[in-house]
Amino acid sequence: GAGVSQSPSNKVTEKGKDVELRCDPISGHTALYWYRQSLGQGLEFLIYFQGNSAPDKSGLPSDRFSAERTGGSVSTLTIQRTQQEDSAVYLCASSLARGGGEETQYFGPGTRLLVL
Amino acid sequence: AQSVTQLDSQVPVFEEAPVELRCNYSSSVSVYLFWYVQYPNQGLQLLLKYLSGSTLVKGINGFEAEFNKSQTSFHLRKPSVHISDTAEYFCAVGAPGGATNKLIFGTGTLLAVQP
Repeated sequence: GAGVSQSPSNKVTEKGKDVELRCDPISGHTALYWYRQSLGQGLEFLIYFQGNSAPDKSGLPSDRFSAERTGGSVSTLTIQRTQQEDSAVYLCASSLARGGGEETQYFGPGTRLLVL
Repeated sequence: AQSVTQLDSQVPVFEEAPVELRCNYSSSVSVYLFWYVQYPNQGLQLLLKYLSGSTLVKGINGFEAEFNKSQTSFHLRKPSVHISDTAEYFCAVGAPGGATNKLIFGTGTLLAVQP
């Protein structure tokens, strides 16, 4: 079946502009995660959705970052007033979320964001 | 809070040689442990995971890992590597029973297999 898809695959923007990154999880997966992968920082957790609600937003680095999920499916990560330090690969993952943290997270190919 | 340390940022190895990628974790509670692999320009793919039970876990592509609670380690091993194993490998920890299913990742180890 189809895996996790993300769009765009690459995004170049100017400092100060807003960007939206999209994630389509695997059908039937109720849990959705956003991570950021940047040089020197490794993989950082940003936010976790269970259905349409976000019980854990602890990884969002500033109030310029927000995310939403609609219909228990597609999620959008929005970065307002982008800064050069926001340049990174943004990875989305989904899982069945039966609970307990033991399940496999399935990752998308990522969106590579470059802020000039 | 949990944390993961991958001491080796890069491991060069010759084809058909054995390899061990090291992972140590820190946690005040019991944990689940994962190894993911990332091939160039791709997302992460699960290699194996430890949840409970047998401390030796076998995964895909001939990889295995051993959970050592006393040493808080979860090292990844393969007896004979191939060129195609060249990739970045991430160790991660998850906490059972929490309000979040987030994973805490190490900084990754680049396995560079040379002919």
